[in-house]
Amino acid sequence: DGGITQSPKYLFRKEGQNVTLSCEQNLNHDAMYWYRQDPGQGLRLIYYSQIVNDFQKGDIAEGYSVSREKKESFPLTVTSAQKNPTAFYLCASSIAAGPNEQFFGPGTRLTVL
Amino acid sequence: AQKVTQAQTEISVVEKEDVTLDCVYETRDTTYYLFWYKQPPSGELVFLIRRNSFDEQNEISGRYSWNFQKSTSSFNFTITASQVVDSAVYFCALSEPNSGNTPLVFGKGTRLSVIA
Repeated sequence: DGGITQSPKYLFRKEGQNVTLSCEQNLNHDAMYWYRQDPGQGLRLIYYSQIVNDFQKGDIAEGYSVSREKKESFPLTVTSAQKNPTAFYLCASSIAAGPNEQFFGPGTRLTVL
Repeated sequence: AQKVTQAQTEISVVEKEDVTLDCVYETRDTTYYLFWYKQPPSGELVFLIRRNSFDEQNEISGRYSWNFQKSTSSFNFTITASQVVDSAVYFCALSEPNSGNTPLVFGKGTRLSVIA
């Protein structure tokens, strides 16, 4: 089946540790996105990538890093510099950047202990 | 200022009632796109509709309908004869392609609870 997979579904980390969230898509989409969702805050854009080997910061990029070495993969690293990393993280993709439908993965809930 | 405002944080209705979710947007572009997404308890967002700024015709899809009014910068979503399965968080979003290839800007969402 075509779609977006995120792993793991739940993730726990100790304060001060870096952690990488996985996002894979087999839709052959050029664009991929990472959002953070907090209660009552809606979705906020962390990073996005319009094409392989290219990515741009979103509204809340501080404390996060990404890579886009392959078209189908867009991992997000939450670094120890992120002050409040506990949140629900959603990955999405679209056929191209711009006003296109975004397809979302099931999300990863990160909890910092 | 928020580009997409969903003033209703939470709404509760009894099954079979009609319910309207409000969305007000802000843009200076003449070309823009509006979206609605549904987020059920499982967490994954599901696309519902995309509408461009040149098409003000209202859309109906089964029990769902959308009312796009440029005069009031609104793109409201109505569910007719609501069902328990409609319980979810609903997001309205805006895309302004002439402002660069910027991704969607989401509202904060409206949590809809349909009570049996």
